[in-house]
Amino acid sequence: NAGVTQTPKFRVLKTGQSMTLLCAQDMNHEYMYWYRQDPGMGLRLIHYSVGEGTTAKGEVPDGYNVSRLKKQNFLLGLESAAPSQTSVYFCASSYWGDQPQHFGDGTRLSIL
Amino acid sequence: EDQVTQSPEALRLQEGESSSLNCSYTVSGLRGLFWYRQDPGKGPEFLFTLYSAGEEKEKERLKATLTKKESFLHITAPKPEDSATYLCAVHGLGGGGFKTIFGAGTRLFVKA
Repeated sequence: NAGVTQTPKFRVLKTGQSMTLLCAQDMNHEYMYWYRQDPGMGLRLIHYSVGEGTTAKGEVPDGYNVSRLKKQNFLLGLESAAPSQTSVYFCASSYWGDQPQHFGDGTRLSIL
Repeated sequence: EDQVTQSPEALRLQEGESSSLNCSYTVSGLRGLFWYRQDPGKGPEFLFTLYSAGEEKEKERLKATLTKKESFLHITAPKPEDSATYLCAVHGLGGGGFKTIFGAGTRLFVKA
């Protein structure tokens, strides 16, 4: 009964490198979300998905891409990492848009 | 503009000293207001959902209330283990589509 699992937990990148963050949920939720959390700011929505094969932009989508090929997985990609993308990234899922979200424990990403 | 503002930013209490946290919000097409607890190094953990003005929810020492413009999280006789960051979030569905907006949080410190 894992809930929402994020991998990796920590990563250090150099400017210009690319990487993919993986989120997996085992609750059969329709909605999945990617957020970033920065000091002094609330969680900000990057992209979200309302079901398998769908994605939509959130509040801060620039520099990120996402894919949801399987219902249980939601991938966040950084094609060319920039120092401004240093943050803690959280994935979440919910059964529907007006339901509580279940969060993973985050990926701490540093870009030098 | 849709936004969520939490106050105070930080709150220091003695064990047993009751207080309240505030969440003021503006969002089009409110679909729910959510309270989460976040411990250091962890993802947010769901506490309460409120859907309409006048609604109240309780869990142990916590009680959440909702009006048309704000929500309060009342903490009665807090204990040191209640120390955490408390996040407020609103979900909305307006002309711009689905939105989920988090406040920056209130950091609660309870001293024994």
